[in-house]
Amino acid sequence: DAGITQSPRHKVTETGTPVTLRCHQTENHRYMYWYRQDPGHGLRLIHYSYGVKDTDKGEVSDGYSVSRSKTEDFLLTLESATSSQTSVYFCAIMDQTMNTEAFFGQGTRLTVV
Amino acid sequence: DAKTTQPPSMDCAEGRAANLPCNHSTISGNEYVYWYRQIHSQGPQYIIHGLKNNETNEMASLIITEDRKSSTLILPHATLRDTAVYYCIVRGAGGTSYGKLTFGQGTILTVHP
Repeated sequence: DAGITQSPRHKVTETGTPVTLRCHQTENHRYMYWYRQDPGHGLRLIHYSYGVKDTDKGEVSDGYSVSRSKTEDFLLTLESATSSQTSVYFCAIMDQTMNTEAFFGQGTRLTVV
Repeated sequence: DAKTTQPPSMDCAEGRAANLPCNHSTISGNEYVYWYRQIHSQGPQYIIHGLKNNETNEMASLIITEDRKSSTLILPHATLRDTAVYYCIVRGAGGTSYGKLTFGQGTILTVHP
């Protein structure tokens, strides 16, 4: 299995509190992604990174920020969590060559109460 | 970014071939087509990808039309464990979209005994 770890795996937090999810890789891959998955919606891209300090928005980026200060870590922050951000969050990594696959983490289940 | 369209659900008898279609009519010449599947709430699992030519691996075959506007994933002998949501994805290849992976709604494949 690819070396990708998400933490925490489960979290319950209160509305209005800040939350940071971490994605850590040991593969030295260039690209990292954050997705959320809700019932009936499949996976939706929040943000992705194409290098250290290089990030771009996905289709559902409102309310989220990201940071990538080193190759191995990609952090997703909810500045002020809302109940609509209750979801399962997946991180993915991919090498820079085009003819390659992305590897996904096991997910973080976040509940905002 | 190229979008994909898949049927929401399909059925298949165990032991028979499962043929899952995908339309990606706006795909550009250097964008790859990827297929992933997701079982329950696990992280998506890579199946296969291709650019122009048909591809085959131990899991499946990928048939891409000559104009590249559609593709078909073939599971040659479906088993009950192949019941999952199957996602067809076009990987971005230009500018800041390079490496961007955008999922569609996917196809729920149900394999029956």
